Amino acid sequence: NAGVTQTPKFRILKIGQSMTLQCTQDMNHNYMYWYRQDPGMGLKLIYYSVGAGITDKGEVPNGYNVSRSTTEDFPLRLELAAPSQTSVYFCASSYSRDRRNSPLHFGNGTRLTVT
Amino acid sequence: DQQVKQNSPSLSVQEGRISILNCDYTNSMFDYFLWYKKYPAEGPTFLISISSIKDKNEDGRFTVFLNKSAKHLSLHIVPSPPGDSEVYFCAASERGKLIFGQGTELSVKP
Repeated sequence: NAGVTQTPKFRILKIGQSMTLQCTQDMNHNYMYWYRQDPGMGLKLIYYSVGAGITDKGEVPNGYNVSRSTTEDFPLRLELAAPSQTSVYFCASSYSRDRRNSPLHFGNGTRLTVT
Repeated sequence: DQQVKQNSPSLSVQEGRISILNCDYTNSMFDYFLWYKKYPAEGPTFLISISSIKDKNEDGRFTVFLNKSAKHLSLHIVPSPPGDSEVYFCAASERGKLIFGQGTELSVKP
């Protein structure tokens, strides 16, 4: 039972490069989320999706793009990497947005460094 | 604008004693509150939650208390073995979107 899988685990980018962080889940969850965690800070919501074809901005969307072509996959795209995007990125999924019975399931994160 | 705050970055307790982690929030529209535990090199793991219409929820060693008038919640862990030493995050939900606090690193000393 894989749950939420993120790739890669680590990546170093040069300023201005682009990359896609991959996220896939096998729980048939409708809702998927991307968070970033900076040192000493909580997780900040970047983008989320309530189902295939539907995405919306979170708290800190600038510099990122997402797509949701299937229920399973929710890739996060960085077009022009900047040092401010150095962070640990977490993908998460949930069955619904009702938190009474649907907490978020997180992947193990991608540690990204932009130099 | 930090809507969910954990004002103690770290907390140290003696093994076997109760651990109390605190969390404050500002948005009265939050309808659900959750606690997550985070191990190094892993994503957060869900621990326990509470609806905004309740003031207490208990699950095994974990009890969460909610004081809506004070916009404050706390997580009580009893007892605290050394394995509980990790970072704990509180989170609040508004229409399904989770807003996280900064985290408190719990250290359980033998």
